[in-house]
Amino acid sequence: DTGVSQNPRHKITKRGQNVTFRCDPISEHNRLYWYRQTLGQGPEFLTYFQNEAQLEKSRLLSDRFSAERPKGSFSTLEIQRTEQGDSAMYLCASSLEGGRPDTQYFGPGTRLTVL
Amino acid sequence: RKEVEQDPGPFNVPEGATVAFNCTYSNSASQSFFWYRQDCRKEPKLLMSVYSSGNEDGRFTAQLNRASQYISLLIRDSKLSDSATYLCVVLPTSGTYKYIFGTGTRLKVLA
Repeated sequence: DTGVSQNPRHKITKRGQNVTFRCDPISEHNRLYWYRQTLGQGPEFLTYFQNEAQLEKSRLLSDRFSAERPKGSFSTLEIQRTEQGDSAMYLCASSLEGGRPDTQYFGPGTRLTVL
Repeated sequence: RKEVEQDPGPFNVPEGATVAFNCTYSNSASQSFFWYRQDCRKEPKLLMSVYSSGNEDGRFTAQLNRASQYISLLIRDSKLSDSATYLCVVLPTSGTYKYIFGTGTRLKVLA
């Protein structure tokens, strides 16, 4: 399977713990995006990378959230001191620069439950 | 006002029916438009891009009206397998690549 992959698929944690999610984009895609989706809502943009540079961050991305893409390939999203309001599906997507239109392909998501 | 608005539904239609969804967007400078399909607890999957001239893919037709700032999706001859949430997506302006999603419209096709 050469699509976007995410790990873990599910994560249950206690409030106050730190969690880290991983995303592996489609291999030739140089853009990578993180979104968050809660029940009954569409996905909301968190941040995106072009190669290893983080070019845009949403105000939803509080100081407790950090994302990295150190070598321009896979990315990690860390949430520190989790809160119950962080419970959501975290979706990763990737796209190829120069695509017309810029079409993003989504991974299966990591479902986070904070108890 | 939300940047992208959709009627959340649900739309319950019989098999074989034609159903249409609309979506409005607030930013007149928006560049690109898409419809994604999302099955329950799964990731969004691209259904089709939406072009100014309108485009068709089998039973699905998408239209863009820039003057009125809305996008539509028409599904003809509905199948049970079309049951899903349909997400309207807007790429707001050049220089950013973040998608703005509507809340989605739920469709249930009944046997």
